[in-house]
Amino acid sequence: EPEVTQTPSHQVTQMGQEVILRCVPISNHLYFYWYRQILGQKVEFLVSFYNNEISEKSEIFDDQFSVERPDGSNFTLKIRSTKLEDSAMYFCASNPTGAYEQYFGPGTRLTVT
Amino acid sequence: AQSVSQHNHHVILSEAASLELGCNYSYGGTVNLFWYVQYPGQHLQLLLKYFSGDPLVKGIKGFEAEFIKSKFSFNLRKPSVQWSDTAEYFCAVNRMEYGNKLVFGAGTILRVKS
Repeated sequence: EPEVTQTPSHQVTQMGQEVILRCVPISNHLYFYWYRQILGQKVEFLVSFYNNEISEKSEIFDDQFSVERPDGSNFTLKIRSTKLEDSAMYFCASNPTGAYEQYFGPGTRLTVT
Repeated sequence: AQSVSQHNHHVILSEAASLELGCNYSYGGTVNLFWYVQYPGQHLQLLLKYFSGDPLVKGIKGFEAEFIKSKFSFNLRKPSVQWSDTAEYFCAVNRMEYGNKLVFGAGTILRVKS
């Protein structure tokens, strides 16, 4: 069964550094999402992406964040200058048409020191 | 703004006990409803979903949920839990339009004692 994959599984970075989190959505899916979960808190929506542009973003998704689909398979989340409070589990998700359930990847645990 | 409330943060049950996890949402429009499960060390997996039709939906592993529109609720149930059901359970909602974000509840950690 096709799965969403994410790399790396764990990323440790220093405050102020740039990080890129990578996701490979399921191949025939058209809608892509990033969510994050700070330890002990709920899963929060960051951004949705369709047709090579952002379709919706939350207030968390400020100028420090960007997303890109650099080729036909990858979907990336970049954080330009990481802060301590960016430490969280970041989940990528995708779905084929936007109207069905979202399929989640295993997550990348980002630790900012 | 949409919000999702899950009533219990931690639930501890013995094997064979019945389970009901509460979920209420606040949104006036038509919504899709989901329960996701996250087993220890694994990613979020869909347990079941409601889009329309029969408000009693059955999912994987013997789980079911009932959508009660008048109560804005979508409670998850299982008649007899197993040790392997130990996991965190998330209720989530999105709107009917395409490409809409999921709004998650805070999650309920279920521990089943063998």
